Amino acid sequence: DAGITQSPRYKITETGRQVTLMCHQTWSHSYMFWYRQDLGHGLRLIYYSAAADITDKGEVPDGYVVSRSKTENFPLTLESATRSQTSVYFCASSEDPGDGYTFGSGTRLTVV
Amino acid sequence: SQQGEEDPQALSIQEGENATMNCSYKTSINNLQWYRQNSGRGLVHLILIRSNEREKHSGRLRVTLDTSKKSSSLLITASRAADTASYFCATDAGNQFYFGTGTSLTVIP
Repeated sequence: DAGITQSPRYKITETGRQVTLMCHQTWSHSYMFWYRQDLGHGLRLIYYSAAADITDKGEVPDGYVVSRSKTENFPLTLESATRSQTSVYFCASSEDPGDGYTFGSGTRLTVV
Repeated sequence: SQQGEEDPQALSIQEGENATMNCSYKTSINNLQWYRQNSGRGLVHLILIRSNEREKHSGRLRVTLDTSKKSSSLLITASRAADTASYFCATDAGNQFYFGTGTSLTVIP
């Protein structure tokens, strides 16, 4: 199916564990983004990528790692999860950010 | 921070009324976009307005932009229960967009 999909939809993990959130888009959009959404903070940009093998930090990159070996995939890894990383994570893609983003359905991550 | 701020934080209206929400931002922009988020879902792009535009329409949506005041407004006319959602403005900084904290709109049938 065409679109942007995130997996898993829900994840519970323990403090200190590594966890990877997946994002896959079928349009071959150049740009991909990771945001986290928390009450009172809106959406904050974690990392973004302008093309395969090109990534850059956003507002809140600490504690996160990304890679983009293929245009269609943009995984987000929490190297050692902390409770403060409990959030809803959204992936988005765009061919031209000036024309708007398409968002995935989100991953709700709980760190206990 | 480039982040936009929406006002009000929450808005409750009767079906059929118009809903207006505002967005203020801090630095110069090229584009401003509005998104809708239904509960538990991802954001959906509604409309984009460029810095050289003052007003734009899309169906029941009307967006205005005042770059001198660094503000934008989103008007939803003849609201419906299905318009119940959170609405976010997003302002650009290069290829990134920064989102505000949103306005929660409730339309009462």
